[in-house]
Amino acid sequence: GNSVTQMEGPVTLSEEAFLTINCTYTATGYPSLFWYVQYPGEGLQLLLKATKADDKGSNKGFEATYRKETTSFHLEKGSVQVSDSAVYFCAFPYSSASKIIFGSGTRLSIRP
Amino acid sequence: NAGVTQTPKFRILKIGQSMTLQCTQDMNHNYMYWYRQDPGMGLKLIYYSVGAGITDKGEVPNGYNVSRSTTEDFPLRLELAAPSQTSVYFCASSKGQGENTGELFFGEGSRLTVL
Repeated sequence: GNSVTQMEGPVTLSEEAFLTINCTYTATGYPSLFWYVQYPGEGLQLLLKATKADDKGSNKGFEATYRKETTSFHLEKGSVQVSDSAVYFCAFPYSSASKIIFGSGTRLSIRP
Repeated sequence: NAGVTQTPKFRILKIGQSMTLQCTQDMNHNYMYWYRQDPGMGLKLIYYSVGAGITDKGEVPNGYNVSRSTTEDFPLRLELAAPSQTSVYFCASSKGQGENTGELFFGEGSRLTVL
């Protein structure tokens, strides 16, 4: 069945470092793909999305490209800040558009 | 701008007790979800609903029940609490269709401890 595999954390980087968090999926067809972020003590919020192959989603300096050849949707940021410290989740529809599943989450900590 | 509201924020239960986690949304979203997040883990889908009167099981439905009598409300009931149900519970809603598919709006979470 459909599944999503996400890079395990925690990931610790220094401020202004380059970030990549890997996400790969197994699905029939080409579902929309999402990255969510969870700041400490809060619920999840949508960070970015891509609705079809080769689309690039972007928001707050983060980017992710929907690559159907490698079934991947890796999250990247060129220069991270302390305020980016959070848990990041890859997500996509499971068996239908109404059933969204999430990866295991990657905790990111940024050192000043 | 209430969005998705969950109550209570914190609750401690004894084994075998029952309780209901309340969830309401004011965005007129058709789709609503309940997830649980165990410490250091990702989210697991418990139940979801695509509209009033319609509910369906997610990945981990055992030990829980839901109802959806109105568009706004989607309560989650635990009938016989067990320590394995200690978790943070998140309610979410979505327009659910077209380009909005997968865009979920989350509540702040309800932390439940079963002792």
